Amino acid sequence: DGGITQSPKYLFRKEGQNVTLSCEQNLNHDAMYWYRQDPGQGLRLIYYSQIVNDFQKGDIAEGYSVSREKKESFPLTVTSAQKNPTAFYLCASSMDRGLNTEAFFGQGTRLTVV
Amino acid sequence: RKEVEQDPGPFNVPEGATVAFNCTYSNSASQSFFWYRQDCRKEPKLLMSVYSSGNEDGRFTAQLNRASQYISLLIRDSKLSDSATYLCVVKRGPGRRALTFGSGTRLQVQP
Repeated sequence: DGGITQSPKYLFRKEGQNVTLSCEQNLNHDAMYWYRQDPGQGLRLIYYSQIVNDFQKGDIAEGYSVSREKKESFPLTVTSAQKNPTAFYLCASSMDRGLNTEAFFGQGTRLTVV
Repeated sequence: RKEVEQDPGPFNVPEGATVAFNCTYSNSASQSFFWYRQDCRKEPKLLMSVYSSGNEDGRFTAQLNRASQYISLLIRDSKLSDSATYLCVVKRGPGRRALTFGSGTRLQVQP
């Protein structure tokens, strides 16, 4: 079954810890994205990658890091420098070739700082 | 000014009603437009792309007005299952940066 998988679904982090959120896709998509959503808010772009070994900062990259070593995988690390990390994190992918290529989302990871 | 703006609602409508949402975008270079639907605590899912000529999918009709830089979504004969948040999404074009999301408009269809 083709799709995009995020894990874990729920994650609890102690203050001062780094945590890594997994995102894997088997859709053969070139582009992958990480968004953050806070309650009652829209999605804000953290990082995106249009090709392996390349990625760009989005609007709220501070306190986050990513890697794109494989086409299928785009993990996001939430570092201790991120002051308010509790949020819903969504990973997406798209072909990013034509104009009307939609993005497909994973089911998200809910991160809570305890 | 936000790149994509939507009325947050909520829009409370009875079953069977027709409801319309508008969304404005600020970047005139935007080339692709979409409506996504997001259910509570779930991931967004594509509802429909928005084409220059307008397009319809069953009870849903999307329109694009490039001159005024807005997109609309019309839902006819609302169902209880239409209750969700509707996200307006804009993309500047292939190879450009990612999709930009509006904050969403919440729809509550009541029996």
